[in-house]
Amino acid sequence: GQQVMQIPQYQHVQEGEDFTTYCNSSTTLSNIQWYKQRPGGHPVFLIQLVKSGEVKKQKRLTFQFGEAKKNSSLHITATQTTDVGTYFCAGRDSNSGYALNFGKGTSLLVTP
Amino acid sequence: DVKVTQSSRYLVKRTGEKVFLECVQDMDHENMFWYRQDPGLGLRLIYFSYDVKMKEKGDIPEGYSVSREKKERFSLILESASTNQTSMYLCASRGLAGGQDTQYFGPGTRLTVL
Repeated sequence: GQQVMQIPQYQHVQEGEDFTTYCNSSTTLSNIQWYKQRPGGHPVFLIQLVKSGEVKKQKRLTFQFGEAKKNSSLHITATQTTDVGTYFCAGRDSNSGYALNFGKGTSLLVTP
Repeated sequence: DVKVTQSSRYLVKRTGEKVFLECVQDMDHENMFWYRQDPGLGLRLIYFSYDVKMKEKGDIPEGYSVSREKKERFSLILESASTNQTSMYLCASRGLAGGQDTQYFGPGTRLTVL
């Protein structure tokens, strides 16, 4: 079945540094979604990417979907302490209608 | 705002007990999901339902069953709880946010099986 691999597992940065997490799927995806989970909270939807090569921005966050629709990345510019949390990617397989396959997440710690 | 609620935030049960975890969504979503979340393992799909009375196994269905008698409610049942089912359980429903396919998560139930 489809597997979604996400790296790194953990990242510790100083406030102001950039951060990137990468997501790779074993199969072609129809779309990929990104979620953020704050410590003690539940995952909250950030964005969905659908088109090959798509790039979307949300303030300091930049999301990319690869040309082959098998990989994606989330880049945060100039991290802030409010960025702390775990970031998950979740891919929907081209042949699967309902279920998302979540990566294991990247836990980001930002120290002032 | 979409709201997904779960019956308990924290639950402590004994080995062998039958456990019911309830999830309710208020947005008339057809698809609902149950995940468990464990450190280092991310979110793993237990079961999902694409409509009333319809269910599909996820990646780790063993030891669990589900019930969807009404559209808004999706229940996860641990037939005979075991210590390895101690985990955070998250319910989600699928809908649209600004035209984007998304899953809305409940606050989670942290289950401890003694």
